[in-house]
Amino acid sequence: GAVVSQHPSWVICKSGTSVKIECRSLDFQATTMFWYRQFPKQSLMLMATSNEGSKATYEQGVEKDKFLINHASLTLSTLTVTSAHPEDSSFYICSASGTSGDSYEQYFGPGTRLTVT
Amino acid sequence: GQNIDQPTEMTATEGAIVQINCTYQTSGFNGLFWYQQHAGEAPTFLSYNVLDGLEEKGRFSSFLSRSKGYSYLLLKELQMKDSASYLCAVMDSNYQLIWGAGTKLIIKP
Repeated sequence: GAVVSQHPSWVICKSGTSVKIECRSLDFQATTMFWYRQFPKQSLMLMATSNEGSKATYEQGVEKDKFLINHASLTLSTLTVTSAHPEDSSFYICSASGTSGDSYEQYFGPGTRLTVT
Repeated sequence: GQNIDQPTEMTATEGAIVQINCTYQTSGFNGLFWYQQHAGEAPTFLSYNVLDGLEEKGRFSSFLSRSKGYSYLLLKELQMKDSASYLCAVMDSNYQLIWGAGTKLIIKP
């Protein structure tokens, strides 16, 4: 099956700093990548959808200037949490869908746990 | 609005069978997914239904009725490792996944 990796798997940063999370599709071309956030004991919440080479589409309530998404190639998308605050501490998960494999299935990365102190 | 409903929590016994229901109301329908998520991990894909009927895959089966807006995930021969959250998600007419809140399944010996 398709493999999606995320880096780092966990990160601790100080309030006010920025953190970049990478999401890579290892064996397929991801035309669309999704970024989710999950708070403890809650369901996944879609933050944004990005198509390769175009601007990301953000969900209502998600600040695009705070959560910068770049999808510059068919195998890499990055999420940068700028000026992080403790309330940004969460589990960030990316997923990717491409032109191969089962139609419309999203392949999930392992997630990145962000803790802002 | 769009809505996915599934029970918050269920408890079952090791070796038994459990059925997790999911009802949905979405703008359009392009398939229903079931994912398994262990605590602290990303979801893993279990099944995809786009036509009515039952899809069987080993110990897990998934059923869909589009006319009723209803699906269930059936887990047989439960094992302790099946303790996890099970997420139902529907792909709407814009090909976007609408997620349910998940059902936490607790397996007891």
